[in-house]
Amino acid sequence: LAKTTQPVSMDSYEGQEVNITCSHNNIATNDYITWYQQFPSQGPRFIIQGYKTKVTNEVASLFIPADRKSSTLSLPRVSLSDTAVYYCLVGESNYQLIWGAGTKLIIKP
Amino acid sequence: NAGVTQTPKFQVLKTGQSMTLQCAQDMNHEYMSWYRQDPGMGLRLIHYSVGAGITDQGEVPNGYNVSRSTTEDFPLRLLSAAPSQTSVYFCASGVGRIYEQYFGPGTRLTVT
Repeated sequence: LAKTTQPVSMDSYEGQEVNITCSHNNIATNDYITWYQQFPSQGPRFIIQGYKTKVTNEVASLFIPADRKSSTLSLPRVSLSDTAVYYCLVGESNYQLIWGAGTKLIIKP
Repeated sequence: NAGVTQTPKFQVLKTGQSMTLQCAQDMNHEYMSWYRQDPGMGLRLIHYSVGAGITDQGEVPNGYNVSRSTTEDFPLRLLSAAPSQTSVYFCASGVGRIYEQYFGPGTRLTVT
């Protein structure tokens, strides 16, 4: 079973900031949190990875509270091209990552 | 760099036939893996390899074999195709199993 829980789907509008929250109540000490994006008929693409606090790159930010039982992927100023499925994964190097069904994000004009 | 390449892109098999899905990467990654993705579902790990000569089973290995004779190549063999193996197959590579994985474009397999 996936170690994470995400909303099945979300809608937003172009130019808005979108936050997708992932719950991982049983996260272990050595687990990292990783997010991927997948477009239809394509393989997933890595977005961001973090362990604690906040991580930012050129496309997204990842917020992780002190208890690490959840995390939030933040996509600034989304566009129609951000419509995709977003996967949150939790795991550490000794074990395989388990993929859930992800969050289907639909961006409207 | 080509990244991760997969061939073929599409394949139709009859029940009982065998075939090999090819996967190659040019990033010198030690870790490679095969996933299948059924409609509306997340990815499920079939087999993985942490380096040439080393392979191991994932979540759904039955009906599939792998080998890793070189760092670059990681073929997936379907031994005797069944309709339940109809799916999209993705190959991925990375420096380690939890770090950034690079995925190929996928092979869409239909077994009739």
